[in-house]
Amino acid sequence: QKEVEQNSGPLSVPEGAIASLNCTYSDRGSQSFFWYRQYSGKSPELIMFIYSNGDKEDGRFTAQLNKASQYVSLLIRDSQPSDSATYLCAVSYNQGGKLIFGQGTELSVKP
Amino acid sequence: DTEVTQTPKHLVMGMTNKKSLKCEQHMGHRAMYWYKQKAKKPPELMFVYSYEKLSINESVPSRFSPECPNSSLLNLHLHALQPEDSALYLCASSHPASGGEREQFFGPGTRLTVL
Repeated sequence: QKEVEQNSGPLSVPEGAIASLNCTYSDRGSQSFFWYRQYSGKSPELIMFIYSNGDKEDGRFTAQLNKASQYVSLLIRDSQPSDSATYLCAVSYNQGGKLIFGQGTELSVKP
Repeated sequence: DTEVTQTPKHLVMGMTNKKSLKCEQHMGHRAMYWYKQKAKKPPELMFVYSYEKLSINESVPSRFSPECPNSSLLNLHLHALQPEDSALYLCASSHPASGGEREQFFGPGTRLTVL
C-alpha cells in the first residue's frame, strides 16, 4: 500500500527562523510531489511542486526532493506568524491524477 | 486565473433530502476531482473525471452521485446521506498532463452538515 508519512507536529518555530517540514513516501514509482498549505477552516492551497531530484526555490519556500532516500522536504525561510497552518505533503503515482496525502504537519510560528 | 469556485459555501440537510454541490473552473483544465475532508484529516479522493468521463471512483457509496455536464462544471448529487457524511467537500481541477505532472488546484469547499 502506498503511504506518505509526515510528522503531525505541532512544529513550533520563532518568527524569522527556518521551518523545516519533512515527508517520506513508500513507493519508488512516485513521480510528482506537492506541498499544500491549509489554514484552519479553509481549503488546501498549492504552494510548491517538484518533479526532479534536487532543490526548487520560490520566494521564501524551498522544496527538496531525494528520490533515492524517498523523501521530500519543504523549507520556509524567515518564517512569519502568517505561515502558521497545516502543511500537507502529497504524492502522485500517475494513476489518473490520484494524489496520496500525508496526515499533515501543523506549523506554529511564534512572534 | 487559478480559481475554482464552489457553491454553496455551507449546506445543512436532513437525511431524507436531495441536494447538489456545484463546482466550476475556467482554467481550461480537463481533469476534475471531488474530495471529502474530515476535521484534522487530509483530503480523501472520491471521484476523478478526465475529459468529462468518470475515470476513478474510490468505492464511494451510491448516495453520492457525481456528474460532469461539461469541461468546466462538476456536480455532486447527494441523497439519503448519513450524519457521518458531514465534512468539507472539496473540488479540484488540473491539466490531465502525462507523466503525473498534474498540479491540482482546490476550490474553497462546501461545508456540509447532515442532521
